[in-house]
Amino acid sequence: DAGVTQSPTHLIKTRGQQVTLRCSPKSGHDTVSWYQQALGQGPQFIFQYYEEEERQRGNFPDRFSGHQFPNYSSELNVNALLLGDSALYLCASTIAPNMNTGELFFGEGSRLTVL
Amino acid sequence: GESVGLHLPTLSVQEGDNSIINCAYSNSASDYFIWYKQESGKGPQFIIDIRSNMDKRQGQRVTVLLNKTVKHLSLQIAATQPGDSAVYFCAETPSSGNTPLVFGKGTRLSVIA
Repeated sequence: DAGVTQSPTHLIKTRGQQVTLRCSPKSGHDTVSWYQQALGQGPQFIFQYYEEEERQRGNFPDRFSGHQFPNYSSELNVNALLLGDSALYLCASTIAPNMNTGELFFGEGSRLTVL
Repeated sequence: GESVGLHLPTLSVQEGDNSIINCAYSNSASDYFIWYKQESGKGPQFIIDIRSNMDKRQGQRVTVLLNKTVKHLSLQIAATQPGDSAVYFCAETPSSGNTPLVFGKGTRLSVIA
């Protein structure tokens, strides 16, 4: 049973560029959340997708957008990259309605470096 | 592997000793708490959770204690092993409604063999 898978694992971009990160949820899960984890910090909630719609959003600018596909996989897009966007981006999946319980399963993350 | 954090509070424990990791939470409305373990290069992994109607909950080698009066949470690891070396995060949320988990900054546990 595959867990949460994310791609790419590492990538380097320059300021102003755009990036797309991808996530496949754990088998049987239909809800995907994205978190940003800066170095030395805990994960911060970006947004959550369920039934192909953004259901909740954290305190992140509109440069951060996402999408969920019919197969429950998800993408995180960040436009006009800033140096401060450098972080580990984590995807977590669960089964609704367990959106905010310990039944969150995290992927290993995509490490984004912005130069 | 990747480093999760370079400037985290660090706890160094001798192998076989017990570890206690502390966490202060801020939201009085939070009534559901979770401890996660994050090893280098990996995503957070669920360890144990507790709801506010309990003061203590035990798992395998781990115990979580909740003091709602002072908004304090602790994770106790018995007979700490080298494999317990990781960064530990507490997370909180009000369980009513659909409110995302809020994570603390984490504590790095280093086990000395």
